Amino acid sequence: DAKTTQPNSMESNEEEPVHLPCNHSTISGTDYIHWYRQLPSQGPEYVIHGLTSNVNNRMASLAIAEDRKSSTLILHRATLRDAAVYYCILREAHSGTYKYIFGTGTRLKVLA
Amino acid sequence: EADIYQTPRYLVIGTGKKITLECSQTMGHDKMYWYQQDPGMELHLIHYSYGVNSTEKGDLSSESTVSRIRTEHFPLTLESARPSHTSQYLCASLGAGMNTEAFFGQGTRLTVV
Repeated sequence: DAKTTQPNSMESNEEEPVHLPCNHSTISGTDYIHWYRQLPSQGPEYVIHGLTSNVNNRMASLAIAEDRKSSTLILHRATLRDAAVYYCILREAHSGTYKYIFGTGTRLKVLA
Repeated sequence: EADIYQTPRYLVIGTGKKITLECSQTMGHDKMYWYQQDPGMELHLIHYSYGVNSTEKGDLSSESTVSRIRTEHFPLTLESARPSHTSQYLCASLGAGMNTEAFFGQGTRLTVV
């Protein structure tokens, strides 16, 4: 299974941009890069995903390296509600379904 | 808002009891998943299903079993609960196609005493 590597924790000041990196050097050509976040005492929630091109949505932006071996989740203005564990996941096609293999994620702390 | 529900949200039960954790989704998703997560740790896939009457074991060995008799329902059962089963159990579902997202339930926090 393809794996991702993320820093264990990061800190950001409120209202400032946050760049959360992810390495996925063993990514295959069909793997999508997905980001989820998990707020305290909640199940994970979808943030954004992409394949090759950079992506923007109302929550965040996703910058994907040209060789696809790394990506960066960008929160443009961090708020206290963005404090969560952020997971970078490669969505693999396996046996007719898709397995989400979670790593340890990055715990984001937002300082007021 | 995600239409996937887990019950109960919290459960404290004695050793040796049989328990079933419920997971239901109203989105018509074929693919459903069960994850186990200890506090502060990563999620581990323990079961998944890609449709009615199909179930597979995940990457983490688990003594639990699952069934998928109806598309919307994916219950997880422990025949004889033990303290080592104490954990949070998260259910998820996924729609068809590559350009879709998974939806997670709120989780069931199980404590076996």
